[in-house]
Amino acid sequence: DAKTTQPPSMDCAEGRAANLPCNHSTISGNEYVYWYRQIHSQGPQYIIHGLKNNETNEMASLIITEDRKSSTLILPHATLRDTAVYYCIVRVAPGNTPLVFGKGTRLSVIA
Amino acid sequence: SQTIHQWPATLVQPVGSPLSLECTVEGTSNPNLYWYRQAAGRGLQLLFYSVGIGQISSEVPQNLSASRPQDRQFILSSKKLLLSDSGFYLCAWSAGTSGSPGELFFGEGSRLTVL
Repeated sequence: DAKTTQPPSMDCAEGRAANLPCNHSTISGNEYVYWYRQIHSQGPQYIIHGLKNNETNEMASLIITEDRKSSTLILPHATLRDTAVYYCIVRVAPGNTPLVFGKGTRLSVIA
Repeated sequence: SQTIHQWPATLVQPVGSPLSLECTVEGTSNPNLYWYRQAAGRGLQLLFYSVGIGQISSEVPQNLSASRPQDRQFILSSKKLLLSDSGFYLCAWSAGTSGSPGELFFGEGSRLTVL
């Protein structure tokens, strides 16, 4: 079972920041937070991951609360191509345990 | 660079027929390999994963099986397909070495329709 809770859907205006929340209140000290997204009819794509500190890459920023019980994925300037299902996953890394995907958040970017 | 390929991309099979989906990874050694399935309108379900040749872990009991005959080859099979086997099958790999970030890289997917 997925150990995260995400809203089922969100809308965002094109050009605005998309803030996708994720609750992971039972996260363990050695578990990372991963974010993936899946565009329709494609395989999921890795976005970003983090343990304690906030992280930023060319795709997005990840903000993790100090108690690590929740996090937010930020797409700074959403485009229509960012419309996808976004998955928040917690797991130990590195390791041989597989990623378990929940239902994710369906983000719709609107022109 | 590493690449992952799976085939066939699309498959239409009658109920009761066999199935074989293949996945290969290039540019890395000793990867962890995974098979996921996504039924229409549903989330991603982990079916099998493998941390080495001949080592297969099954997550969901069903009429599917997986094999890893070579380090970078992962095969999903069935002797007799059911209607409920229809879906989008995804192969994925991750680095199996200690210190890796644990990212998963997915193939293009195989869409199976059982009639």
